[in-house]
Amino acid sequence: AQSVSQHNHHVILSEAASLELGCNYSYGGTVNLFWYVQYPGQHLQLLLKYFSGDPLVKGIKGFEAEFIKSKFSFNLRKPSVQWSDTAEYFCAVIVTGFQKLVFGTGTRLLVSP
Amino acid sequence: KAGVTQTPRYLIKTRGQQVTLSCSPISGHRSVSWYQQTPGQGLQFLFEYFSETQRNKGNFPGRFSGRQFSNSRSEMNVSTLELGDSALYLCASSPGQVSYEQYFGPGTRLTVT
Repeated sequence: AQSVSQHNHHVILSEAASLELGCNYSYGGTVNLFWYVQYPGQHLQLLLKYFSGDPLVKGIKGFEAEFIKSKFSFNLRKPSVQWSDTAEYFCAVIVTGFQKLVFGTGTRLLVSP
Repeated sequence: KAGVTQTPRYLIKTRGQQVTLSCSPISGHRSVSWYQQTPGQGLQFLFEYFSETQRNKGNFPGRFSGRQFSNSRSEMNVSTLELGDSALYLCASSPGQVSYEQYFGPGTRLTVT
């Protein structure tokens, strides 16, 4: 069965620091990849997605992610975080042909002002 | 466009009771998926409906069931509630094609006492 691993469970950064959150998935076939964010008290929102094409995808609020097929990875990056980026971030994968999101365990990001 | 709506937002039930949760997808979306979110297990897929048919199912006991109506609204039912069913239940809608991104509602917080 496919699975998603997020190795950083808690990350604490100061404002303006750079962010990289790791995500690895286990599935040998074609997948679609997503990053979702859950701000405190709010519902899950789509940050960005990768279906095909350019492996470097840009999302909302200055976030980007790079799909590296050989490493089964889809890491999330942001050059300079803000206090408002404090949230929980989830990596997720859908196996092509199905409509079932498999989520990682999430990474809680705390950005101190 | 209005987002995914879920009712009720909060619910308290006692063990042994049953509960029905409701989800209205984004207008025009035909696929509705349900997820359970708990601190211990994270986000786990329950089932997905498309055109009133269950298309995918997760690894949950038969006490968890759902249905979808002709207007794409969906309900989820949990019978014989257990303490471990306490969770945030999330509904997500998608245009319908498989492997598409999903848009989440705010969730129903179920507490079983």
